[in-house]
Amino acid sequence: EIVMTQSPATLSVSPGGRATLSCRASQNVTTKLAWYQQIPGQAPRLLIFGALTRATGIPARFSGSGSGTEFTLTITSLQSEDFAVYYCQHCFTWPYSFGQGTKLEIK
Amino acid sequence: QVQLVESGGGVVQPGRSLRLSCTASGFTFSRSDMHWVRQAPGKGLEWVAVMSFDGSHKFQADSVRGRFTISRDNSKNTLFLQMDSLRPDDTAVYYCAAGSWYEYWGQGTLVTVSS
Repeated sequence: EIVMTQSPATLSVSPGGRATLSCRASQNVTTKLAWYQQIPGQAPRLLIFGALTRATGIPARFSGSGSGTEFTLTITSLQSEDFAVYYCQHCFTWPYSFGQGTKLEIK
Repeated sequence: QVQLVESGGGVVQPGRSLRLSCTASGFTFSRSDMHWVRQAPGKGLEWVAVMSFDGSHKFQADSVRGRFTISRDNSKNTLFLQMDSLRPDDTAVYYCAAGSWYEYWGQGTLVTVSS
């Protein structure tokens, strides 16, 4: 099983600022990597797939990068609605495991 | 409009069984691999099980293998999760998810395992 590790566990950033979230896979997953946003009480929402492609309706301030084992989600010009928990997930081979999440909180 | 609606959750005693359903609409269910994902209270997402679009392949997480069984009925656009020998640590919101990249999620159904 591929293990996904996210860092940091919690990230404090001011509104209008920039957030950089990291995700590492225990083995090469090529670009089979997705990012999700979850607001408390809601189902997760797909943000990025294929490591760098924004899902439908996702603002351009969200961007993904990386391949192989190292991935990054960058959020610029943070808005109030962006403060949430973010998960990465590989879709390389079953089981499609998730990272443990990064909580993005207001500084 | 894509919809995934889970049902079947509730409170159950340890060792008992429960069957979850996920009814899909708005996309071609019979062409989509379907997944179950769960989230324990205050915890992260845990992938649980997958069944291929035609039901020919399936896979479960180690934590549920031998106790949970995934199945589907493409004629009814419905995915199932049969959960046997339930334990307190199975307490979670259970989501079904669809799409090549989990574009679609249900609202989740809460399963509470407690005596």
